[in-house]
Amino acid sequence: EAGVAQSPRYKIIEKRQSVAFWCNPISGHATLYWYQQILGQGPKLLIQFQNNGVVDDSQLPKDRFSAERLKGVDSTLKIQPAKLEDSAVYLCASSLGEGHRANYGYTFGSGTRLTVV
Amino acid sequence: AQKVTQAQTEISVVEKEDVTLDCVYETRDTTYYLFWYKQPPSGELVFLIRRNSFDEQNEISGRYSWNFQKSTSSFNFTITASQVVDSAVYFCALLNSGYALNFGKGTSLLVTP
Repeated sequence: EAGVAQSPRYKIIEKRQSVAFWCNPISGHATLYWYQQILGQGPKLLIQFQNNGVVDDSQLPKDRFSAERLKGVDSTLKIQPAKLEDSAVYLCASSLGEGHRANYGYTFGSGTRLTVV
Repeated sequence: AQKVTQAQTEISVVEKEDVTLDCVYETRDTTYYLFWYKQPPSGELVFLIRRNSFDEQNEISGRYSWNFQKSTSSFNFTITASQVVDSAVYFCALLNSGYALNFGKGTSLLVTP
């Protein structure tokens, strides 16, 4: 089966600019996650969707970050305006979701590496 | 609160040595899942193992083995006869009640010839 698709693979922007990342989960996966991985650290959950509803966005910096999952499939994560500390890899993951807690189909994409200069 | 601690930041071994990566976790859930992921230099996260809280049997897969001990809240990972290709960052993670993964900070393993 096809994996979790993310684009772009790399992005360099200046601070205060805006940027958007796209994620296409595995077909049939109800749950979609965005993680932020800063260099030298483990991935940190930013937001979790169940279908097109938000389950957890407690760690999303809502003054500058936004995310949506239209029609419960693809998702977009936006940063506006970007700061230097937003430089990180943004990972998208998907899973079958509720009722499948055991990593049954929990798959990560290759990530988007963002550099803010 | 959910927390995963990987106290070893970096480990360097010579090829063919055995190496153990430590993972200690905290959770109030009675049912939970623990994971190990490998992140090679290319950046993708590679799933290695999942263990649920009711299964304390150790597991062996080739050169990899895992020791899960609820009494000490630990889920350690051992690579036997390490190889250069094992060089990567290894993450231990805990699946919370909302189905999201809480990761440790990772252990960077360098295996030299």
